[in-house]
Amino acid sequence: DAGVTQSPTHLIKTRGQQVTLRCSPKSGHDTVSWYQQALGQGPQFIFQYYEEEERQRGNFPDRFSGHQFPNYSSELNVNALLLGDSALYLCASSLGLAPGYEQYFGPGTRLTVT
Amino acid sequence: AQSVTQLDSQVPVFEEAPVELRCNYSSSVSVYLFWYVQYPNQGLQLLLKYLSGSTLVKGINGFEAEFNKSQTSFHLRKPSVHISDTAEYFCAVTPHTNAGKSTFGDGTTLTVKP
Repeated sequence: DAGVTQSPTHLIKTRGQQVTLRCSPKSGHDTVSWYQQALGQGPQFIFQYYEEEERQRGNFPDRFSGHQFPNYSSELNVNALLLGDSALYLCASSLGLAPGYEQYFGPGTRLTVT
Repeated sequence: AQSVTQLDSQVPVFEEAPVELRCNYSSSVSVYLFWYVQYPNQGLQLLLKYLSGSTLVKGINGFEAEFNKSQTSFHLRKPSVHISDTAEYFCAVTPHTNAGKSTFGDGTTLTVKP
């Protein structure tokens, strides 16, 4: 049973560019959440997708957008990259929106903006 | 809004010694509580969670945590640590009514020395 997978593993971009990160949820899961983890900090919630709609959003600018596909996989897009966007981006999947659900995390995508 | 404070950024301990990683939280609404572990270059793995019921929660790898509502704490303990427990540990809370938005602490680095 494959867990949560993310691609690419590492990515280097230049300021002002755009980037797309991808996530495939654990088999049987239909909800995907994205987190940004800066060096030395805990993950910060970006947004959550369920039934192909953004359901929750954290305190991130509109430069951060996402999408969920019918097969439950998801993309995170970041436009106009800033140096401060350099971080580990984690995808987490779960089943539904029930409180207390367990999130399964992927290994993350390390984004470096130069 | 919620906030999570992990009181120790680094905890060094000798193998087979007991350990406690401290977590305090603040929230205006009821929350569920979680502890995650992150090994180098990997995603987060759930250690244990408190949803309701007994305030002493047992998790994987011999870890346990106690929920103290009056002190708004959720400290993680292990009676005897192993070298393999060396990792980053994160405490997190999720509101009962907002399942998607988990708030994480900044993590505690546990280093187990031989």
